[in-house]
Amino acid sequence: EVQLVESGGGLVQPGRSLRLSCTASGFTFGDYAMSWVRQAPGQGLEWVGFIRSKVFGGATEYAASVKGRFTISRDDSKSVAYLQMNSLKTEDTAVYYCTRDPASVTKFFSGNYYYYYMDVWGQGTTVTVSS
Amino acid sequence: DIQMTQSPSSLSASVGDRVTITCRASQGISNYLAWYQQKPGKVPNLLIYDAYTLQSGVPSRFSGSGSGTDFTLTISSLQPEDVATYYCQKYNSVPRTFGPGTKVDIK
Repeated sequence: EVQLVESGGGLVQPGRSLRLSCTASGFTFGDYAMSWVRQAPGQGLEWVGFIRSKVFGGATEYAASVKGRFTISRDDSKSVAYLQMNSLKTEDTAVYYCTRDPASVTKFFSGNYYYYYMDVWGQGTTVTVSS
Repeated sequence: DIQMTQSPSSLSASVGDRVTITCRASQGISNYLAWYQQKPGKVPNLLIYDAYTLQSGVPSRFSGSGSGTDFTLTISSLQPEDVATYYCQKYNSVPRTFGPGTKVDIK
């Protein structure tokens, strides 16, 4: 069974750090890009960022709201993706989901281009930033 | 950045009704659009990707259409288990923005 399990959430004071983990099972983790998505209480979904597979250099991209504060990494040997969150703000309070991101491949004359959607979601872990 | 809007923000329909939700991008995104369903208190679930490709295991009453800037999600015959909030998401480029959601319930 394909599964993603997030952990590491909790209550943290503003300005402090927290690291979330996403442990994958049931598929070849290294073949996929992985994303983090968050949902503030009673609000919609917000894409946080993602990391490509090692085949694409493990490159990362981030939302403007977290760029410079959050870092996504991966350990393919352990099938784990991480979200390191520094300088946390009260507005970072949310449920954080990790997702598996398969690619839709489009062939152009100049080469192949990869576009990532989210087909498997974890159950989420809650982060509360409050003094 | 490309902005995503959805309409309506909420709707109420009867069981068996045909329901259509619209998603609009502020710039063209080709067909790089996904639809997700989030039932109350649950995790989001992928329904459709590449604007019209049904994800495996999703009932065939769900369908997607559109390209460029205008997209629709259609539920051909609304069922009680379809009560949920539906989100579109563009993924042609970063940021991979979600729409604000459309809440669907039963009349």
